[in-house]
Amino acid sequence: AQSVAQPEDQVNVAEGNPLTVKCTYSVSGNPYLFWYVQYPNRGLQFLLKYITGDNLVKGSYGFEAEFNKSQTSFHLKKPSALVSDSALYFCAVRGDSSYKLIFGSGTRLLVRP
Amino acid sequence: DAGITQSPRHKVTETGTPVTLRCHQTENHRYMYWYRQDPGHGLRLIHYSYGVKDTDKGEVSDGYSVSRSKTEDFLLTLESATSSQTSVYFCAISEEGSYNSPLHFGNGTRLTVT
Repeated sequence: AQSVAQPEDQVNVAEGNPLTVKCTYSVSGNPYLFWYVQYPNRGLQFLLKYITGDNLVKGSYGFEAEFNKSQTSFHLKKPSALVSDSALYFCAVRGDSSYKLIFGSGTRLLVRP
Repeated sequence: DAGITQSPRHKVTETGTPVTLRCHQTENHRYMYWYRQDPGHGLRLIHYSYGVKDTDKGEVSDGYSVSRSKTEDFLLTLESATSSQTSVYFCAISEEGSYNSPLHFGNGTRLTVT
């Protein structure tokens, strides 16, 4: 069965520093991987996806993610964090049918000024 | 934001009462989904629809039913609400299946069952 894990409940980083939010996955076939962000009292917003191709995927708001097949990871990164990046981040993997996305438990990112 | 409206935004109800949550979209997308969000669990799929009158169960469908009589509306019904169904419910839509096109989410309905 497909699954995704986000090992950190919270990540703290200073504004201007690089940030990484970790995600590992388990799939039985080709991985389809996604990152979403949630701001307070809002629904999730799509950031980026990996389907195939380059291991470094670029997305919205300056975020990127690195796909590593050997480590079964899909970490979210940004070279320089902003206070406004503070939010809840979810990694997701395609489920066992094309209609289902399996979400991780989420990582809260806190960027301090 | 994608044209998704969830109603109501907040609801408090008593155990044993029926509750219906509504999701309305103006994007004419084929696929619609209902998720619930709980601390420590992320989002879990309740039911989804791949067309009018075409629905299927997700991973936590027990105690929930859905209906989709029009492309734009997807209703989630709790037949007899229980305290374990206290949660934030999100509707989402996508143009294609969720693996190929991103999901667009509504702003959620916060349901409290007392």
